[in-house]
Amino acid sequence: EPEVTQTPSHQVTQMGQEVILRCVPISNHLYFYWYRQILGQKVEFLVSFYNNEISEKSEIFDDQFSVERPDGSNFTLKIRSTKLEDSAMYFCASNSGSTDTQYFGPGTRLTVL
Amino acid sequence: AQKVTQAQTEISVVEKEDVTLDCVYETRDTTYYLFWYKQPPSGELVFLIRRNSFDEQNEISGRYSWNFQKSTSSFNFTITASQVVDSAVYFCALSSNTGNQFYFGTGTSLTVIP
Repeated sequence: EPEVTQTPSHQVTQMGQEVILRCVPISNHLYFYWYRQILGQKVEFLVSFYNNEISEKSEIFDDQFSVERPDGSNFTLKIRSTKLEDSAMYFCASNSGSTDTQYFGPGTRLTVL
Repeated sequence: AQKVTQAQTEISVVEKEDVTLDCVYETRDTTYYLFWYKQPPSGELVFLIRRNSFDEQNEISGRYSWNFQKSTSSFNFTITASQVVDSAVYFCALSSNTGNQFYFGTGTSLTVIP
């Protein structure tokens, strides 16, 4: 069964460093998403991406964040200068239609020291 | 505004008991979609069910059942004869008719005691 994959599973970085989180969505899906979950809290939407551009983003997704689909399979989230409060689990999701079920990857746990 | 409320933060039940997880949503859309996801201790989000706003039929899948009531804006989830493997955090989520983002509730942490 196809699934969303994410790498790395755990990333530790120093405050102020740039990180890139990688995702491989399900191959025939067209819509891609990033969410984050601060430990013990709810899952929060960051951004949605379709047709090589951002379709919607939340207030959390400020200028420190960017997304890219550098090739036909990867979908990345870059945090330019990490802050302590960026420590969270980051989930990638994809679906074939914008209102269809979103399938989530296993997440990347980001720890900013 | 879209909002999902899961008032139960934590629930503990003894194995084989039935348990119902509550979900109340707010939306001004006439077309919307409701979801339940399970997050086991390993952390991933596992899809359980999707329901659109025009389908109020209750659904049963094995030990799981869902009760969708538009009149009370609720989409409750019942686990029958709970098992230890059901221990997880369960999230209810809402998506609008334009899709894009999901609005998640704060989750209900279910512990099934053997």
